[in-house]
Amino acid sequence: DGGITQSPKYLFRKEGQNVTLSCEQNLNHDAMYWYRQDPGQGLRLIYYSQIVNDFQKGDIAEGYSVSREKKESFPLTVTSAQKNPTAFYLCASSIGWGDMNTEAFFGQGTRLTVV
Amino acid sequence: AQSVTQPDIHITVSEGASLELRCNYSYGATPYLFWYVQSPGQGLQLLLKYFSGDTLVQGIKGFEAEFKRSQSSFNLRKPSVHWSDAAEYFCAVVPWYSGGGADGLTFGKGTHLIIQP
Repeated sequence: DGGITQSPKYLFRKEGQNVTLSCEQNLNHDAMYWYRQDPGQGLRLIYYSQIVNDFQKGDIAEGYSVSREKKESFPLTVTSAQKNPTAFYLCASSIGWGDMNTEAFFGQGTRLTVV
Repeated sequence: AQSVTQPDIHITVSEGASLELRCNYSYGATPYLFWYVQSPGQGLQLLLKYFSGDTLVQGIKGFEAEFKRSQSSFNLRKPSVHWSDAAEYFCAVVPWYSGGGADGLTFGKGTHLIIQP
């Protein structure tokens, strides 16, 4: 079955440590996205990538980094510079660019807790 | 910049009753419009979308939404809710000129739907 896989589902990190969240898709989508979700805040865009080896900052990119070396994969690193990293992180993908291609498909999310 | 408002943070509905969740957007032109549903601890699933044409859109799970340009609204409705409809519902918009990329998605803050037996 085609879809988006995020791992792990739960992640605990000590303060001051970097941690990487995995996102893999087998939908053959060009575009991939990372969102952060906090209670009562909706979803906020962290980074997005329209094509391999290219990515752009979203609305809240500070303290995060990404890479897009393969079409299928878009890992997100939460660095120690992120002041409030505890949140639910959602990865999404869409076919690509152009009209009618705005539908985003979401993974099941990773809940990150800093202890 | 566009914005999306979901005025109701929580809504409680009795099982079998009708449902309407409100969504208003602030934008100078007609955007692309979406409703997503999220079960606890899960990702988002697309319920329905509006790009153009008929302003009444049918979606999955018996949901429908009506686009009203004059009111800048895209309200979600269901004639009879089931206990399994309890979830978080998000309205989202993308400007038509964004080139179509979902990086233009702006989400509302969500409405939490509670179903009473």
